[in-house]
Amino acid sequence: DARVTQTPRHKVTEMGQEVTMRCQPILGHNTVFWYRQTMMQGLELLAYFRNRAPLDDSGMPKDRFSAEMPDATLATLKIQPSEPRDSAVYFCASGLAPGQGAIAGELFFGEGSRLTVL
Amino acid sequence: QKEVEQDPGPLSVPEGAIVSLNCTYSNSAFQYFMWYRQYSRKGPELLMYTYSSGNKEDGRFTAQVDKSSKYISLFIRDSQPSDSATYLCAMRPGGSEKLVFGKGTKLTVNP
Repeated sequence: DARVTQTPRHKVTEMGQEVTMRCQPILGHNTVFWYRQTMMQGLELLAYFRNRAPLDDSGMPKDRFSAEMPDATLATLKIQPSEPRDSAVYFCASGLAPGQGAIAGELFFGEGSRLTVL
Repeated sequence: QKEVEQDPGPLSVPEGAIVSLNCTYSNSAFQYFMWYRQYSRKGPELLMYTYSSGNKEDGRFTAQVDKSSKYISLFIRDSQPSDSATYLCAMRPGGSEKLVFGKGTKLTVNP
């Protein structure tokens, strides 16, 4: 059963600590997205990759957030230092680029990493 | 004004009711329109998608897009308690992979 796997599922940390979230996309998918979900803002796109290359990270606070894809099976989102306003659920999603046989725009989401920064 | 507006609800209906969920948008470049369903503590999953204007039906679900009014709808017929979830509209321009989501409408179907 192919699915996007995210770790950790839950993380509670103190302000100023480094947080790293990991994502294993579905094998064969060439686009990977990081979204953040809050009650106030809903789902916001932070960054996305195609074939491991970063295409857009304009939604990410550059001074504290970084996203990488060290290889095709791993995407990471790092926050350093973390702040209480970073508390949210972070979702990773993967898919195929349009025109590659996938339903247009279909993203497969992981179950999310719920982050609480005290 | 956000690019995509969606009433967050919550919406509570009795089992068997017809449910109407809606979104409005401002970007006329949007061409692909989707509805995702998100159960509590889970990630969103694609429910339906439509390209450009028109209707699409899948079982008890019907998606409608009116590009002239920049308005999309999802109708659920004969709603079931298992339909209780948050429904998010999402859309993107042609040639772009970036999906813009509405905030979601929380639906509860009461037995």
